[in-house]
Amino acid sequence: AAGVIQSPRHLIKEKRETATLKCYPIPRHDTVYWYQQGPGQDPQFLISFYEKMQSDKGSIPDRFSAQQFSDYHSELNMSSLELGDSALYFCASSEGHTKGYGYTFGSGTRLTVV
Amino acid sequence: AQSVTQLGSHVSVSEGALVLLRCNYSSSVPPYLFWYVQYPNQGLQLLLKYTTGATLVKGINGFEAEFKKSETSFHLTKPSAHMSDAAEYFCAVSDRTGFQKLVFGTGTRLLVSP
Repeated sequence: AAGVIQSPRHLIKEKRETATLKCYPIPRHDTVYWYQQGPGQDPQFLISFYEKMQSDKGSIPDRFSAQQFSDYHSELNMSSLELGDSALYFCASSEGHTKGYGYTFGSGTRLTVV
Repeated sequence: AQSVTQLGSHVSVSEGALVLLRCNYSSSVPPYLFWYVQYPNQGLQLLLKYTTGATLVKGINGFEAEFKKSETSFHLTKPSAHMSDAAEYFCAVSDRTGFQKLVFGTGTRLLVSP
């Protein structure tokens, strides 16, 4: 079965650089969620999109932006990177915003800022 | 606001012993409840979920959890631990209204000794 695809798997950037993370949801899934998991931390919700519109927003820094495109894939853009942005970034997708389905996570992108 | 408390950042068991990972939630309305497992350097895999109906939920890999409204708990159990169960386990909740953003507990690392 198709899963949530994230690219790249690993990314190394220098401070103040920009990074773009991509997420390809499961076919027919129209909702995408982004989470950030720092070292030894639990995942923290960043932002979500339903039908290409932002549906919810969590603790996402102003330096980050995201969008969902017409093919439902999503990109997380991170600018002016800081050392503290080093983390595992997960994308998840679900079919509709109907509650309770739970959703499928991708394998994550590990971002290291040096 | 919802919150999740996982008692014990580390739980150690012997192979073949009972596994019990504790999760309590705080919410004015019983939320949807989930358990996820994360193996090192991997994504989050859904073990099981409770949305409605039967309060004893069976998941993958022999795990099960029971929703107890009176105790606001959703503890995860497995009768007999296997070495391959060693991983990080996250309890999570999502609201029954609005978009299903997940709020995670801080995680419990399960250690299994031979």
